Amino acid sequence: GENVEQHPSTLSVQEGDSAVIKCTYSDSASNYFPWYKQELGKRPQLIIDIRSNVGEKKDQRIAVTLNKTAKHFSLHITETQPEDSAVYFCAASDYKLSFGAGTTVTVRA
Amino acid sequence: NAGVTQTPKFQVLKTGQSMTLQCAQDMNHNSMYWYRQDPGMGLRLIYYSASEGTTDKGEVPNGYNVSRLNKREFSLRLESAAPSQTSVYFCASSYSGGPSYNEQFFGPGTRLTVL
Repeated sequence: GENVEQHPSTLSVQEGDSAVIKCTYSDSASNYFPWYKQELGKRPQLIIDIRSNVGEKKDQRIAVTLNKTAKHFSLHITETQPEDSAVYFCAASDYKLSFGAGTTVTVRA
Repeated sequence: NAGVTQTPKFQVLKTGQSMTLQCAQDMNHNSMYWYRQDPGMGLRLIYYSASEGTTDKGEVPNGYNVSRLNKREFSLRLESAAPSQTSVYFCASSYSGGPSYNEQFFGPGTRLTVL
């Protein structure tokens, strides 16, 4: 089955700086790569996703890049704000979603 | 629309007891999923139902059973609870799964403790 590794497990950034989270996947058949944000005590919510026929996607301060050859994808958050503090999960799917272990992002004021 | 709802929100069981977690969605989604979330391990798929009438095992199905009661409802049953099943359980749904993946919408979760 698919194996998704996510790094780093924790990330502390100064407000206004950028945050980058990286994930690798094992199954070359995977073709859908979503990113979820989970605030403390809340449910995961989709923030951005990318499909295998696209190399990059951007939505305001959030961008995701995908390198199919190397089997890795990354989440970039620019101009971080306190409300960006949360746990972020990457996932990969060929038929079922497999999640990474998560990255706890803390934005320092 | 309520989206994805789960009951109960919290539950404490003793080892060996059984219980059923309920999940319902009102978005006319075809696919439904059960995950468990443990610290440092992300979300792990227990069972999923690609469409009404079908269920399949996920990554960690041992100790669980599921029923896709109709298009709206997907329940998860613990027949004989064990402390290792202490976790937060999330139900999710999507319009489609498999190769034509769509966004999964999650329920609020059930926090289960097995003593």
